[in-house]
Amino acid sequence: QSVLTQPPSVSGAPGQRVTISCIGSTSNIGTGYDVHWYQQLPGTAPKLLIYGNTNRPSGVPDRFSGSRSGTSASLAITGLQAEDEADYYCQSYDTALSGVLFGGGTKVTVL
Amino acid sequence: QLQLQESVPGLVKPSETLSLTCNVSGGSISGSRYYWAWVRQPPGKGLEWIGNIFYSGTSYYNPSLESRVTISVDTSKNHFSLRLTSVTAADTAVYYCARLSHGDSNWFDPWGRGTPVTVSS
Repeated sequence: QSVLTQPPSVSGAPGQRVTISCIGSTSNIGTGYDVHWYQQLPGTAPKLLIYGNTNRPSGVPDRFSGSRSGTSASLAITGLQAEDEADYYCQSYDTALSGVLFGGGTKVTVL
Repeated sequence: QLQLQESVPGLVKPSETLSLTCNVSGGSISGSRYYWAWVRQPPGKGLEWIGNIFYSGTSYYNPSLESRVTISVDTSKNHFSLRLTSVTAADTAVYYCARLSHGDSNWFDPWGRGTPVTVSS
């Protein structure tokens, strides 16, 4: 099934740690395809946050980290800050789709 | 620094053709390391991959849109383009162009600022 499932929303207080799951299947993450993560601040274009499951582009704080295991992946944000309030999307490749697949997105709210 | 900028078609009538161009500056669109892609985002919804093209012209499309989509590239003008035919209200979205890495692992970076397209009579 060509779907990457993310929770619609997660929230946390400043300073806390939150995680966002991205559940795939054997046609995408489970096949070994990398997972990438994007941050979309309100009213702006998505921005690459994590590539190749665990790598942070230059300029991305080390508060953001990614992991992948089996048919799922996760994005963790430690030391949550007000500026982290945004939508987050996972992305991978899907063999059934023969193309790129995005998760449905997760809205992070800082309480 | 590589920058991508979408053209601005704005309003398109139902059943007509949506045409967009992405101008690439700060780097060449030719080269074997990257694809050039279109992604869209309907109002209040998530991201949808439309398709991508290599500088040689080889293209790949989302099966759900493949019958209506054409992506082309003009290396002399350092830009690539999107055509979407027979549009309906469901095609109303912000359209982004982006560079997509080529190889075993494919991620989008950087992105254009996006251009909103409304399909309405």
